[in-house]
Amino acid sequence: QKEVEQNSGPLSVPEGAIASLNCTYSDRGSQSFFWYRQYSGKSPELIMFIYSNGDKEDGRFTAQLNKASQYVSLLIRDSQPSDSATYLCAVTGGSARQLTFGSGTQLTVLP
Amino acid sequence: DAGVTQSPTHLIKTRGQHVTLRCSPISGHKSVSWYQQVLGQGPQFIFQYYEKEERGRGNFPDRFSARQFPNYSSELNVNALLLGDSALYLCASSSLPGGPQDTQYFGPGTRLTVL
Repeated sequence: QKEVEQNSGPLSVPEGAIASLNCTYSDRGSQSFFWYRQYSGKSPELIMFIYSNGDKEDGRFTAQLNKASQYVSLLIRDSQPSDSATYLCAVTGGSARQLTFGSGTQLTVLP
Repeated sequence: DAGVTQSPTHLIKTRGQHVTLRCSPISGHKSVSWYQQVLGQGPQFIFQYYEKEERGRGNFPDRFSARQFPNYSSELNVNALLLGDSALYLCASSSLPGGPQDTQYFGPGTRLTVL
């Protein structure tokens, strides 16, 4: 069974700090990796995607992928209270390339 | 451009009833996927359709069915509702499934409550 594991948290960081979110996956055939943000009661919103080993930066967000270790992470620099949400890690695989999600990490940024 | 739209927003049903949820993808997207998200968990894959053909199915009972129309909109049907079907049902659209860099964008979801 393909699995995606995330620390459920909650993770609390002070405003302005770096938040680090981690994710591991079991299927070595996974090809695409996504981070979604989900506010309470809302649907997931795409933050970043990454396909190649290494780092990918977009504004305050940096995604890191290490396929050998089957590990993907998301760094949020200069965290803001508005970043407080659940962050979902997802990988694609299977014939339909459907998304397999982790259970999410709840992040709270304290003012 | 309009994003993914879903209707209704909220729905309350009783056990044994059936429900139909609707989704319209982003303009130009031909693939629709359905996910179920129960409280405290990540979304779980139910179906994917592309060009009106089913491309994949998750581990859900036959009470769940779906279809895609020529305009690429989609319906998810659930029969004989159980209490455990209470969840947020999410529709996601993408331009082409199976491509190396396809990305799925989610609609606002339909909150289904089964009493």
